Amino acid sequence: EPEVTQTPSHQVTQMGQEVILRCVPISNHLYFYWYRQILGQKVEFLVSFYNNEISEKSEIFDDQFSVERPDGSNFTLKIRSTKLEDSAMYFCASSASGKPTDTQYFGPGTRLTVL
Amino acid sequence: AQSVTQLGSHVSVSEGALVLLRCNYSSSVPPYLFWYVQYPNQGLQLLLKYTSAATLVKGINGFEAEFKKSETSFHLTKPSAHMSDAAEYFCAVSEVPGGYQKVTFGTGTKLQVIP
Repeated sequence: EPEVTQTPSHQVTQMGQEVILRCVPISNHLYFYWYRQILGQKVEFLVSFYNNEISEKSEIFDDQFSVERPDGSNFTLKIRSTKLEDSAMYFCASSASGKPTDTQYFGPGTRLTVL
Repeated sequence: AQSVTQLGSHVSVSEGALVLLRCNYSSSVPPYLFWYVQYPNQGLQLLLKYTSAATLVKGINGFEAEFKKSETSFHLTKPSAHMSDAAEYFCAVSEVPGGYQKVTFGTGTKLQVIP
């Protein structure tokens, strides 16, 4: 069964450093998403991406964040200058149509630890 | 904006007992509701979803949920708990505020199954 994959599974970085989290969505999906889950808290929407553009973003997704689909398979989340409060589990998801009834398929997550 | 509220951050049941995880939604339009499960150190897996086709929705692993408009609820149930059901369960609502799907999650309920 096709699945969303994410690398790395765990990333440790120093405050102020740039990190890039990588995701490979399901191959025939057109809509891509990033969510984050701070330890002990709920899963929060960050951004959605379609047709090489951001379609929706949350208040969390400020200028420190960016997303890109550099080639036909990868979808990346970049944090330019990490802060301690960016420590969280980051989930990538993809869906086929973007309709409200569509299922978003989630990857296993990247645990980001900012020291 | 739509939202979901999960009552009870932790629920404990005995193996073989009924599982009931509560979710209430807030929406001005017919909602599209989902239940996801997260096993330790894994991503989110879809259990089931309500898309207005039927009020009683059956999902994987013996789970089901009933949409009750009068109670604005979408509670998740399973007749007999199994040890493997121990996980965190998230209720979620899907909408398309700007034409693109956005999923909002509840705070999650951790299910403990006691042998």
